[in-house]
Amino acid sequence: NAGVTQTPKFQVLKTGQSMTLQCAQDMNHNSMYWYRQDPGMGLRLIYYSASEGTTDKGEVPNGYNVSRLNKREFSLRLESAAPSQTSVYFCASSSPGQLNSNQPQHFGDGTRLSIL
Amino acid sequence: AQSVAQPEDQVNVAEGNPLTVKCTYSVSGNPYLFWYVQYPNRGLQFLLKYITGDNLVKGSYGFEAEFNKSQTSFHLKKPSALVSDSALYFCAVRDIMNGNNRLAFGKGNQVVVIP
Repeated sequence: NAGVTQTPKFQVLKTGQSMTLQCAQDMNHNSMYWYRQDPGMGLRLIYYSASEGTTDKGEVPNGYNVSRLNKREFSLRLESAAPSQTSVYFCASSSPGQLNSNQPQHFGDGTRLSIL
Repeated sequence: AQSVAQPEDQVNVAEGNPLTVKCTYSVSGNPYLFWYVQYPNRGLQFLLKYITGDNLVKGSYGFEAEFNKSQTSFHLKKPSALVSDSALYFCAVRDIMNGNNRLAFGKGNQVVVIP
């Protein structure tokens, strides 16, 4: 079972370059999330999508955009990368997406992004 | 807004000894509480959750956690630690009063089990 798949696993960018991080889940989950993980800061929510067709800002959305392409896929775009965006990015999904769900989130293995 | 505190950066324990990882939370309403574990170069894996009912929750790999409403705590425990338990542990909370599915994560605790 694939679960949540993230591509690429590693990427090095130069300041000002753009790129899109891809995420796909095969568990028929309604909700999807993008987090960044930095040492000593835990996980911080960038954007989330409660259901197909909706997206909302999380705790640290500046410098990022997202697209919920369909129920399976949720991409994160850096339009003009900055060194402060060097981080490990995780995508997650959860079911069934109703409000106040008690279901856990399922995580991908992350994209390690370095911006020089 | 909901928040989680994990007061210790690192927990060192000898193999075979009891392991405790501390977590306290803050919510405006009633909480849903979760523990996750992260191994090197991997995503977070779900260990256990508290929703309602019995304050002692049992989860994967022999872990359990105790919900204490008066102390707003949800400490993770394992009676006998294994070297393979060495990993990063995250506590997370969802506020039931919030109309969304957002989780607030703690900063994480590095657990080192010494052979």
